[in-house]
Amino acid sequence: DAGITQSPRHKVTETGTPVTLRCHQTENHRYMYWYRQDPGHGLRLIHYSYGVKDTDKGEVSDGYSVSRSKTEDFLLTLESATSSQTSVYFCAISQTSRETQYFGPGTRLLVL
Amino acid sequence: GDSVTQMEGPVTLSEEAFLTINCTYTATGYPSLFWYVQYPGEGLQLLLKATKADDKGSNKGFEATYRKETTSFHLEKGSVQVSDSAVYFCALSDLNGANSKLTFGKGITLSVRP
Repeated sequence: DAGITQSPRHKVTETGTPVTLRCHQTENHRYMYWYRQDPGHGLRLIHYSYGVKDTDKGEVSDGYSVSRSKTEDFLLTLESATSSQTSVYFCAISQTSRETQYFGPGTRLLVL
Repeated sequence: GDSVTQMEGPVTLSEEAFLTINCTYTATGYPSLFWYVQYPGEGLQLLLKATKADDKGSNKGFEATYRKETTSFHLEKGSVQVSDSAVYFCALSDLNGANSKLTFGKGITLSVRP
């Protein structure tokens, strides 16, 4: 299994509070991705990174920001959480953008 | 833009039944196609993939053939087991530009009863 961890694994927060989710990899893969999974929508890409300090938006980036200051860590921040951001968040990594993506275990976020 | 359409679920089968999960896609160019599986409480795992037309991906008894003429990548297994109960996602990887991205279908839940 690819070495990908996500923290926290579960979080409950209140509307309007900031939240940061962390993805950590030990595989030295260049590409990292954040997805959200919601019933009836499958997985949707939020943001991705193609190198340190290099990031780009995905399909559902509004309300989210990301940072990647080193190869192994990719942070997802909800500046002011809303109930619509209640979801399961998955991180993924890949060596190149055309190769298989490997997924982390997910973070379950509940915004009350 | 690119899109993936999966058959509606959920699907419930008895053990040893034949499984087909339909997947069709819309894409410009020639995407790579994937099936991912998500077991309860876990992240997604690659089940199989195909990178060009007429390629057949296979793994753990599952198979899917890249059909360009019908833009399909249907997943099949001859005899399902209870341990195959999971959510299955079809996905494509566009090859446009420097950074390819995965587009997922909505997923389908498979339950296999003993």
